[in-house]
Amino acid sequence: DIQLTQSPSFLSASVGGRITITCRATQGIDSALGWYQQVPGKAPKLLIFLASTLRSGVPSRFSASGSGTLFTLTISNLQPEDSATYYCHQVSSYPLTFGGGTKVEIK
Amino acid sequence: QITLKESGPTVVKPAQTLTLTCSLSGFSLSTGVAVGWIRQSPRQAPEWLALTFWDDEIRYKASLAARLTITKDTSRDWVVLTMTNMNPADTGTYYCARRFRYSTGMYFFDYWGQGMQVTVSS
Repeated sequence: DIQLTQSPSFLSASVGGRITITCRATQGIDSALGWYQQVPGKAPKLLIFLASTLRSGVPSRFSASGSGTLFTLTISNLQPEDSATYYCHQVSSYPLTFGGGTKVEIK
Repeated sequence: QITLKESGPTVVKPAQTLTLTCSLSGFSLSTGVAVGWIRQSPRQAPEWLALTFWDDEIRYKASLAARLTITKDTSRDWVVLTMTNMNPADTGTYYCARRFRYSTGMYFFDYWGQGMQVTVSS
């Protein structure tokens, strides 16, 4: 199974700031990675697919990069509504797996 | 507008079988589309369970495969998940989600249901 390790597990940042979340895969997955945002009580929402492609309708302050085993999600100009837990998700092979999550708090 | 909605029991007893239905709206299980089930325990990451594709391919998480069955009814736009021998560790929120092919061989869950809380308790 491909394990995804996210770091950090918790982040606190100010409105207008910038953060970066890292996701490491235990084996190469090319660009078969997505990023999701989940607010409490809601389903995960797809933000990024194919490692770096911004989904239509997602604000451009979200960006992502990476390939192989190392991936990053960056959120610039942080807004209060960005407070959520973020998950990476690999679709390279079965079983499909998710990272452990990064909880982002906006101060 | 694409929506998915889960329905089923909110409480099941240990050793019982859970049956959840996902009702699809705004899309069909056509080429390039799959529907899957994902569950999430409180404060845990999502866990993928099962998938059914437009071409009748089915995939299960191997460690749960003996307990899972996923079926689709394209005439009614339903996808049903059954999980046997439920135990308290299966308590959590169960989501169905559409999986769309964004590139050759790469599907992503792009639309999710609101989720259904299932508690296993006697």
